[in-house]
Amino acid sequence: QVQLQESGPGLVKPSETLSLTCTVSGGSISSYYWSWIRQPPGKGLEWIGYIYYSGSTNYNPSLKSRVTISVDTSKNQFSLKLSSVTAADTAVYYCARGAAAARWGQGTLVTVSS
Amino acid sequence: EIVLTQSPGTLSLSPGERATLSCRASQSVSSSYLAWYQQKPGQAPRLLIYGASSRATGIPDRFSGSGSGTDFTLTISRLEPEDFAVYYCQQYGSSSSWTFGQGTKVEIK
Repeated sequence: QVQLQESGPGLVKPSETLSLTCTVSGGSISSYYWSWIRQPPGKGLEWIGYIYYSGSTNYNPSLKSRVTISVDTSKNQFSLKLSSVTAADTAVYYCARGAAAARWGQGTLVTVSS
Repeated sequence: EIVLTQSPGTLSLSPGERATLSCRASQSVSSSYLAWYQQKPGQAPRLLIYGASSRATGIPDRFSGSGSGTDFTLTISRLEPEDFAVYYCQQYGSSSSWTFGQGTKVEIK
């Protein structure tokens, strides 16, 4: 069955760019919506954005100016870049498949700190 | 952006009782594109319901979803010990952005 795995640095300095990759195994990335969702410690879920396998994207308006989601179908991966991070961006970041997300990665904690 | 408001914030119930969770949208959710998730500490969310009322694969039939437009409900008919968790609703019908509710915690009374 399809599995998703997030990877990337666990610590990012303020004002820098957070970069994460989600590797999809056991299935093709060439269908479905692929999303990034985050959860600050002790808080609720926040949708960051999605990319459709065709390359079309949609972002949370509150993050839109800082977010880029891209897909690499040759590697079966999609990626998140979040620029100009602050401590408020500290969260567990999840990648997920589907509009109603039936498949999730395990999540990766990214801490923004100097 | 569609804002989802979940109530109550916390629900204190005993095993075997019925749980009723509400999710209200600030505007109509198109085509009932409303999902419910369960999240336990340290785990990723698990999809329970999609399309407002369709159970996801492997979800027990004690979980049911209903509603349309702006008012949606998740019902757990008889709480099992493993059902005590946080529940989120999500709308994915808006072409502008998707959103989650703030969550309802179901705790043991």
